[in-house]
Amino acid sequence: KAGVTQTPRYLIKTRGQQVTLSCSPISGHRSVSWYQQTPGQGLQFLFEYFSETQRNKGNFPGRFSGRQFSNSRSEMNVSTLELGDSALYLCASSVQGLGGELFFGEGSRLTVL
Amino acid sequence: GENVEQHPSTLSVQEGDSAVIKCTYSDSASNYFPWYKQELGKRPQLIIDIRSNVGEKKDQRIAVTLNKTAKHFSLHITETQPEDSAVYFCAAIPGGSQGNLIFGKGTKLSVKP
Repeated sequence: KAGVTQTPRYLIKTRGQQVTLSCSPISGHRSVSWYQQTPGQGLQFLFEYFSETQRNKGNFPGRFSGRQFSNSRSEMNVSTLELGDSALYLCASSVQGLGGELFFGEGSRLTVL
Repeated sequence: GENVEQHPSTLSVQEGDSAVIKCTYSDSASNYFPWYKQELGKRPQLIIDIRSNVGEKKDQRIAVTLNKTAKHFSLHITETQPEDSAVYFCAAIPGGSQGNLIFGKGTKLSVKP
């Protein structure tokens, strides 16, 4: 069974640009969550999608958005990039959320110059 | 909202010693507490979890204890080995939530041979 796949793995952007990150969950998993990981801040929750609906949202500005498609693949978008957005963005899938095990992808490392 | 505090931020032990990592949470309605291990350059992976109706759970050399009254839970690793070196994250699901985990900031464990 294929694991969670995130693309791209690495990317460099400049301030003011926007970026779209993609996540393909494990087959059969309907819940996809996104986390931002930075040194010293751990894993900060961005949002969670289940069956194309955003169920939960973390405390991030509106520049961060996401969506989920009918095949459970998910994308997140960050507009008007700031230097502080440089981080590892991790996607995780689970069968249905609700306290189940999260399976993480390897992440997309974003550098904003 | 839920807040998860994790201590210590770094921990160094000799091979064979025990290691203990502690977390506190703020939402008394939280009912699921997993622990994730992230080795350097790799994705976080679930190592053990506990639900609020259980006080302790063991899996070989690792165990987790939960004190609901005090709102804290701990990870115990016995007979540590160099391959236990990693960053460990505790997490909790806020009461009423439908899937998003709130993580602590992590503990970097170093096991010296």
